[in-house]
Amino acid sequence: QAGLTQPPSVSKGLRQTATLTCTGNSNNVGNQGAAWLQQHQGHPPKLLSYRDNNRPSGISERFSASRSGNTASLTITGLQPEDEADYYCSAWDSSLSAWVFGGGTKLTVL
Amino acid sequence: QVQLQQWGAGLLKPSETLSLTCAVYGGSFSDYYWSWIRQPPGKGLEWIGEINHSGSTNYNPSLKSRVTISVDSSKNQFSLKLSSVTAADSAVYYCARAVAAAGTDWGQGTLVTVSS
Repeated sequence: QAGLTQPPSVSKGLRQTATLTCTGNSNNVGNQGAAWLQQHQGHPPKLLSYRDNNRPSGISERFSASRSGNTASLTITGLQPEDEADYYCSAWDSSLSAWVFGGGTKLTVL
Repeated sequence: QVQLQQWGAGLLKPSETLSLTCAVYGGSFSDYYWSWIRQPPGKGLEWIGEINHSGSTNYNPSLKSRVTISVDSSKNQFSLKLSSVTAADSAVYYCARAVAAAGTDWGQGTLVTVSS
């Protein structure tokens, strides 16, 4: 069940900048903000940011998050081969009293 | 640094009950909600539910009738039970520490396969 909307795939070149989007509504992204996760094949997800733009310690400054209304964005600068992964957004939905995820975006670094 | 270690049966028959446990090492157990999330093979993440140290829970409405999450705060552990499983419940199940609907730390994952 994907409560948030993400594009299925994004492709960008090495050292370029990728911006991934996550669209929700006023009950989730627009109200509570969003978190971003990175997942490499066969591994658990890794938190990149939460509450819109808080970055956990150890996460590269190349990852930055923002929000405008009901849409959250993750910008990755200076793309590296290791950035190729699946990226998920998540948010708390106050109307459902539930945690909702986006369907994920597969980022390909060309 | 918090670490989550999870375990449980990996192969079930239809109609059986899935049972997983997650132990938390390091950090504060009482300051957070603790979640279960699953991921069917090749698909996205689905939140199952969460619990805090005092036993307060929230569940995914689509799974609520079959899910029970419990906690043993004396052992810093929490558990998941999912009843009447079908093939659609086959997935990698993760436990995670939750902060503002964000999984800050994750268990290693347990592949659960439901097959007759």
